[in-house]
Amino acid sequence: GAGVSQTPSNKVTEKGKYVELRCDPISGHTALYWYRQSLGQGPEFLIYFQGTGAADDSGLPNDRFFAVRPEGSVSTLKIQRTERGDSAVYLCASSAPGQANTEAFFGQGTRLTVV
Amino acid sequence: QKEVEQDPGPLSVPEGAIVSLNCTYSNSAFQYFMWYRQYSRKGPELLMYTYSSGNKEDGRFTAQVDKSSKYISLFIRDSQPSDSATYLCAMTRPGFQKLVFGTGTRLLVSP
Repeated sequence: GAGVSQTPSNKVTEKGKYVELRCDPISGHTALYWYRQSLGQGPEFLIYFQGTGAADDSGLPNDRFFAVRPEGSVSTLKIQRTERGDSAVYLCASSAPGQANTEAFFGQGTRLTVV
Repeated sequence: QKEVEQDPGPLSVPEGAIVSLNCTYSNSAFQYFMWYRQYSRKGPELLMYTYSSGNKEDGRFTAQVDKSSKYISLFIRDSQPSDSATYLCAMTRPGFQKLVFGTGTRLLVSP
């Protein structure tokens, strides 16, 4: 596709429910990143994939958060037992082979609201 | 203390003004410095990226890095109403994929 695509754009869920957020990176991009942006804050790193493997998941806040990228393209961020504090915009970014995170392209984000 | 500090603003200027946006940081290992523009309800868009110290110019935008002071700046010349957005600084260390962002400065350019 032309850019990084994230679905859904908005998600409202009840506290305690499970949610999945999807990211379609730019075609051919091998690196994929997830960030979380709370209101009035800058994005915070969650996890980085190189190909199918999670090369750095040091930003995942706890074991309720998990992400996969089984075929090295689409990625899904999974949140179990959602809490109101999980409400934020979840951003996905991708970069091309040979390009660093300094030239990553971001999607428009998924706005998650936990009520 | 946060690793990257950025004044949240808002910063209001008239059209045509020169805008100066700044960040300070505490980690001397940071070598790569980026500026992103983020419109409301959109993802961040990379404006400029600089390696180590020095200046970089791209059209109306100039990025400066002063590693001795741990201070980076973005200058916007001849500002336009379409420049109204939140500007995020970000930085990282060699070999690391994690970008560390500032909180963002909201800029308002009035016609």
